[in-house]
Amino acid sequence: ETGVTQSPTHLIKTRGQQVTLRCSSQSGHNTVSWYQQALGQGPQFIFQYYREEENGRGNFPPRFSGLQFPNYSSELNVNALELDDSALYLCASSGDRGLYEQYFGPGTRLTVT
Amino acid sequence: LAKTTQPISMDSYEGQEVNITCSHNNIATNDYITWYQQFPSQGPRFIIQGYKTKVTNEVASLFIPADRKSSTLSLPRVSLSDTAVYYCLVGEPGSNYQLIWGAGTKLIIKP
Repeated sequence: ETGVTQSPTHLIKTRGQQVTLRCSSQSGHNTVSWYQQALGQGPQFIFQYYREEENGRGNFPPRFSGLQFPNYSSELNVNALELDDSALYLCASSGDRGLYEQYFGPGTRLTVT
Repeated sequence: LAKTTQPISMDSYEGQEVNITCSHNNIATNDYITWYQQFPSQGPRFIIQGYKTKVTNEVASLFIPADRKSSTLSLPRVSLSDTAVYYCLVGEPGSNYQLIWGAGTKLIIKP
């Protein structure tokens, strides 16, 4: 059984650019959630996908968007990057729309300059 | 949405039992209490989850009083590798989008 993987590990972008982060969910999990974690803070929920449909969203602007594919892997896209978007982006997978426990990937460290 | 309050930081020593208490005064009937552990530059890792009374697994115990307005994560005989941030979350299963992650409790274990 493979765990949650994310790519890339690190990324440096310039303000105004666009970025795509990728996540492969744990085998058998149909739900993927994305989080943004600034230094010294807890994760902030961005959105959740269940069976390829977004079924929950946090307080993030529309320039944060996502996709879930038939194999339940997922992408997070961020347009018009701002300096405050610099953070660790975490992906978590779970079964049955997040019942009980989530399994987190190692994260992607995004730096916007 | 239930909000939690937990200490910002705690210190302890190797071999001691550590108890981290979380307050959640507005917990709803269908809410569960879940604890995660996070090491620097890693994703959080599930520790334990419970609804009432006591839950124990190979890593920790979770104590929940009858009114469920607080909970205590107990880590037996800690080691240096238990140094991490611990998060207490309250919410209904299936409602990841309703969970609020605070800053957690930074636990430092000393030799």
